[in-house]
Amino acid sequence: AQSVTQPDIHITVSEGASLELRCNYSYGATPYLFWYVQSPGQGLQLLLKYFSGDTLVQGIKGFEAEFKRSQSSFNLRKPSVHWSDAAEYFCAVGTGDSGGSYIPTFGRGTSLIVHP
Amino acid sequence: NAGVTQTPKFQVLKTGQSMTLQCAQDMNHEYMSWYRQDPGMGLRLIHYSVGAGITDQGEVPNGYNVSRSTTEDFPLRLLSAAPSQTSVYFCASSYRVYSGSSNSANYGYTFGSGTRLTVV
Repeated sequence: AQSVTQPDIHITVSEGASLELRCNYSYGATPYLFWYVQSPGQGLQLLLKYFSGDTLVQGIKGFEAEFKRSQSSFNLRKPSVHWSDAAEYFCAVGTGDSGGSYIPTFGRGTSLIVHP
Repeated sequence: NAGVTQTPKFQVLKTGQSMTLQCAQDMNHEYMSWYRQDPGMGLRLIHYSVGAGITDQGEVPNGYNVSRSTTEDFPLRLLSAAPSQTSVYFCASSYRVYSGSSNSANYGYTFGSGTRLTVV
C-alpha cells in the first residue's frame, strides 16, 4: 500500500523568502502525486499534480514541485512567498494500477506560517 | 457549475442521534469520497465510490454508511452519533484518468467546503 510522509508539521518563513515543503512517498512503482492547499476554514484546493513526463511540475499560485524517483520525494517549492500563502499544505500519493487503488492517500499536512 | 456542494455547513447533534450529510457534484465525476479531518491527523478516508452503485470502505468507516444511487449525489449517514465523530467532514470528487489499457487513477480532487459537526 502507498503511504506519504510530510516530515515538517510547521514551517515558518519571512514574506519574500523562498519556500520548500517536503514530501516523501512509499510505493513500488511510479505513483501519481498531488499537492493540495487548505486555507483556514476552507476545503482543499489542488495546487498541482504529477502523473508522468517532465519531473518538474508547474502549478497554480506560482508553485512548482519536482518528482525525484531516487529519493522518493515530491517537494513543493515557491521562489518568493506572499503573506496569502499562509495555509495548510497536503501532499497525496495515488496509484494507477488495476487493483482499484483509485483514492489517494494524504499526508498529515504542513502548516505554513508567513512572517511580514 | 457549482462544483462540490456540501450541506449543512455546521451541525450539532446529541449522542445517539442520526443524520445525513449531503454531497452533490455537477461535474459528472466518477469518483466521490468522504474524508474526516481532525487536528494533527490530516485527512482520513471514510468511504468512497468509483461510480453509481459502487461504494467501498476507507480507513475509518465504522459508524458511517454511504450509498451512490446517482452520479451526482453521495450522502454520508451517521447511524448513531458519538462524541468521537466530532470532526470536519469533506466530500470530494474527481475524474478518472486512464494511463493504460487497465490502469486508471484519480485525476485530482475537487473538494467541498466542509461540514463542521459537533456531537455532544
